[in-house]
Amino acid sequence: KNEVEQSPQNLTAQEGEFITINCSYSVGISALHWLQQHPGGGIVSLFMLSSGKKKHGRLIATINIQEKHSSLHITASHPRDSAVYICAVASTGNQFYFGTGTSLTVIP
Amino acid sequence: DTAVSQTPKYLVTQMGNDKSIKCEQNLGHDTMYWYKQDSKKFLKIMFSYNNKELIINETVPNRFSPKSPDKAHLNLHINSLELGDSAVYFCASSQAPLVGGEQFFGPGTRLTVL
Repeated sequence: KNEVEQSPQNLTAQEGEFITINCSYSVGISALHWLQQHPGGGIVSLFMLSSGKKKHGRLIATINIQEKHSSLHITASHPRDSAVYICAVASTGNQFYFGTGTSLTVIP
Repeated sequence: DTAVSQTPKYLVTQMGNDKSIKCEQNLGHDTMYWYKQDSKKFLKIMFSYNNKELIINETVPNRFSPKSPDKAHLNLHINSLELGDSAVYFCASSQAPLVGGEQFFGPGTRLTVL
């Protein structure tokens, strides 16, 4: 079983919809990262968080340390948001684990 | 200006060969990483260096040897390449290890072993 589980695996949405991607982890963590991998393959870091909530433009990331769960929300989704979103955790044991990613397609 | 650069972008080679992938960052970061993304798009950390010292060394065959000549460079040398080494290799950097800020990724090097 993977230390980091994401859901859903695939997601299709209409432009303008509110999107939520979930990440659950089974290890103690120091920080959690949300990454975006573009269709061309490039990877961009969206957020690093260890508590609470962070917002950047239309993207919001939250984390609940007690429940070992994080969510990535996209408001007013746009076709350019189509990408793979990857959750990763830096464990307290100095390890780094990735989720398998959520493939998002936003249809105009 | 490219923050994290990798060369080459594509590498096609025969089994048994030795090859290197170079990575450079101009962000002034102390920590650099190598990741492998397999054919199923699953990412896995391979190595991490902080201030030229190895701090993470995952279960990776010893055919893979990272070398950090200075804080701005982390190269990956692979000996005796095998078919299973075919993957995309990403270099990344951050201000400090793992929790020291967001990571900046290079564009990736697609390695194909024939």
